[in-house]
Amino acid sequence: KNEVEQSPQNLTAQEGEFITINCSYSVGISALHWLQQHPGGGIVSLFMLSSGKKKHGRLIATINIQEKHSSLHITASHPRDSAVYICAVDTSGSRLTFGEGTQLTVNP
Amino acid sequence: EAGVVQSPRYKIIEKKQPVAFWCNPISGHNTLYWYRQNLGQGPELLIRYENEEAVDDSQLPKDRFSAERLKGVDSTLKIQPAELGDSAVYLCASSSTYARDYWEQYFGPGTRLTVT
Repeated sequence: KNEVEQSPQNLTAQEGEFITINCSYSVGISALHWLQQHPGGGIVSLFMLSSGKKKHGRLIATINIQEKHSSLHITASHPRDSAVYICAVDTSGSRLTFGEGTQLTVNP
Repeated sequence: EAGVVQSPRYKIIEKKQPVAFWCNPISGHNTLYWYRQNLGQGPELLIRYENEEAVDDSQLPKDRFSAERLKGVDSTLKIQPAELGDSAVYLCASSSTYARDYWEQYFGPGTRLTVT
């Protein structure tokens, strides 16, 4: 069993829909990261969370430390949001353990 | 400011051949990471440098992989000899332990390696 599990693996939505991507982990962590990867490989950091909730534009990330679970929400989704969204946990120092990613496709 | 630079972007080699990847991190970033990303999976750490010191290389297959960051700036990752299973995207990332966003890793575009 992977230390970081994401669901769903693939998600297709219509423009404007509210989207939720889930991440569960099985190890103790100091922080959890959400990243976005566009075709061609480029990865950008979206959030780092150690507790509670963070919001940036249409993106919202939450974490429940007790339940070892985090969610990434996208409000009013747009085709440009189409990408792979990756959850990663910081287990020791600077080592990140990554989930397999969720492929999101938003159709116009 | 330039981001993390990697070269080459694509490489196709035959098995048993050697290959090398180069990474230049963001200026001033003291931490450098090499990751391998197989198709449909998340990145896996191969090695992490703090300046010129490799502080985490536990997941580097040392029988065929080597890396160096001699002056604590740019880095080279080498595979010799390459195997079919080494086909993947090799990502370099950097961060600064002294910056306000110390937690954020900045990724390069990656090198896509195909071993035939």
